[in-house]
Amino acid sequence: GQSLEQPSEVTAVEGAIVQINCTYQTSGFYGLSWYQQHDGGAPTFLSYNALDGLEETGRFSSFLSRSDSYGYLLLQELQMKDSASYFCAVIAGNTPLVFGKGTRLSVIA
Amino acid sequence: NAGVTQTPKFRVLKTGQSMTLLCAQDMNHEYMYWYRQDPGMGLRLIHYSVGEGTTAKGEVPDGYNVSRLKKQNFLLGLESAAPSQTSVYFCASSYSRRAGGPNQPQHFGDGTRLSIL
Repeated sequence: GQSLEQPSEVTAVEGAIVQINCTYQTSGFYGLSWYQQHDGGAPTFLSYNALDGLEETGRFSSFLSRSDSYGYLLLQELQMKDSASYFCAVIAGNTPLVFGKGTRLSVIA
Repeated sequence: NAGVTQTPKFRVLKTGQSMTLLCAQDMNHEYMYWYRQDPGMGLRLIHYSVGEGTTAKGEVPDGYNVSRLKKQNFLLGLESAAPSQTSVYFCASSYSRRAGGPNQPQHFGDGTRLSIL
């Protein structure tokens, strides 16, 4: 099966940079995705990595190291609206997407 | 374009009652999923479907049944509700099995908040 580990909570200051790490164990790894979920809302797709390296989408970037089974989501120029839960999710083999337990990000003034 | 629509949005049940949650998608996706989300547990897959007329078990299938009689609809049933099934239920759909990437992310409904007393 698959397992993912990510911190349960992170707090950061508005305007700063925060990194949310994710380590995974799986066979047949295909890619790592990140989803954002605001309180009371639905998860929405943020970013995806299939190859090693950094993918940038505006203020958000995601990194993957396949050899280390590790990835992270980097949020720059933090805004209050970035306060949400962030989930890493593994695509592997023929199984559906498997999600981590989520990291709750609190952005403070 | 509605995307993924879940019905109902809220429901309170008594232990032992039965109910069906409905998920409908208008994106012609082959793959549909039911997740439950509990505090600190992330999203756990209950059942999923890889096409009309097919279903498969996920991580936490006990106590639930599903049906996919039409491509656009995926139903989740609770035959005899238990307090442990109090949760937020999310339906999702995707174009392909390798869902999650930039060209084929999973699209989620807004969730059904279910309380069982």
